[in-house]
Amino acid sequence: AQSVTQPDIHITVSEGASLELRCNYSYGATPYLFWYVQSPGQGLQLLLKYFSGDTLVQGIKGFEAEFKRSQSSFNLRKPSVHWSDAAEYFCAVGNDKIIFGKGTRLHILP
Amino acid sequence: DTGVSQDPRHKITKRGQNVTFRCDPISEHNRLYWYRQTLGQGPEFLTYFQNEAQLEKSRLLSDRFSAERPKGSFSTLEIQRTEQGDSAMYLCASSEARQETQYFGPGTRLLVL
Repeated sequence: AQSVTQPDIHITVSEGASLELRCNYSYGATPYLFWYVQSPGQGLQLLLKYFSGDTLVQGIKGFEAEFKRSQSSFNLRKPSVHWSDAAEYFCAVGNDKIIFGKGTRLHILP
Repeated sequence: DTGVSQDPRHKITKRGQNVTFRCDPISEHNRLYWYRQTLGQGPEFLTYFQNEAQLEKSRLLSDRFSAERPKGSFSTLEIQRTEQGDSAMYLCASSEARQETQYFGPGTRLLVL
């Protein structure tokens, strides 16, 4: 079955610290992988996507993600978080319809 | 390019009533998608269109739900005889073509009393 697992429901980091959000997927074919961010009252915004090629993908707002086929993972990273990064982050996989994980809520300590 | 728009942004209704939501995609986008998001969950796929053709419907979409995209532009999602379990955020997205990035609208939040 196709699925996305985000094992961390909440993560808290201090402003300026590094961040890694975990994502594992189960998908029958070569997946198209995404990370979206959702702020309160806002729609989903695409941070980055992986279709093929270089397994380290750069996105907006200083985020990057690495596709590891052997681990079925697509973890999101940022070297130094800002207070404005506090939001909910969704990992997703799909071709036509997208399958989303349950999300990880990121909290930032001042 | 004004992005994907949805109307209304909020809807409160009583159980048993019918509601209709509208989505206007980005103008040159052929594909339009509907998702539902409940509290604490990620969005779940409901259905999608290529132009006016509805290509796939999720099992989540019961007989009380119907979606249309009559001229291949805007789309409507109707829920008949609403139930409290229908309370959710209904998200619309559009893309230029298959496997292209889906851009999401702000959503319509439905509360069924």
